[in-house]
Amino acid sequence: AAGVIQSPRHLIKEKRETATLKCYPIPRHDTVYWYQQGPGQDPQFLISFYEKMQSDKGSIPDRFSAQQFSDYHSELNMSSLELGDSALYFCASSLLRGGISYNEQFFGPGTRLTVL
Amino acid sequence: GQQLNQSPQSMFIQEGEDVSMNCTSSSIFNTWLWYKQDPGEGPVLLIALYKAGELTSNGRLTAQFGITRKDSFLNISASIPSDVGIYFCAGNTGTASKLTFGTGTRLQVTL
Repeated sequence: AAGVIQSPRHLIKEKRETATLKCYPIPRHDTVYWYQQGPGQDPQFLISFYEKMQSDKGSIPDRFSAQQFSDYHSELNMSSLELGDSALYFCASSLLRGGISYNEQFFGPGTRLTVL
Repeated sequence: GQQLNQSPQSMFIQEGEDVSMNCTSSSIFNTWLWYKQDPGEGPVLLIALYKAGELTSNGRLTAQFGITRKDSFLNISASIPSDVGIYFCAGNTGTASKLTFGTGTRLQVTL
């Protein structure tokens, strides 16, 4: 079965640079979530979109922005990168209109961002 | 904010043994999910629970949604080496809303 696709898998940036992470949800899924996971930490929610509209917002820095496009893929844009932004970034998707399983979130393999 | 306390933090067990881990919350959740994560990989959904008291199995895994809706446990029977990894509980309170993750249980299996 098709899974969530994230690109790139690895990204190395310098401080103050920008980065764009891409997420392609499972086909037919209509909701996308972004999470950040630091070393040895549990994933922390950043932001989510349903049908291209922001549906929930967590502890996402103002330097970050995201959107969901008409084909349901999503991009996380990160500007003025800081050393502390180094982490694994996961995208997850779910199908809100999927009946009882609407809260099952399926995660992608992640993008490892390293800021030097 | 909501906190999910997961225990134990880590455990070493022998192959063939049964494993139990649990999660407790200060708040009520509508959904409990259990994930397994290998190093550098994304969390993989193991079991989803939607009703208080619900007991669900997936192969050697069994999970329950606590009656108070503030806790959940996961059991793994007859552990095998590929069970090694970090197990996370996660909960959410609404429809298609964010997941709050537990602190994780690191499982290591010795032969």
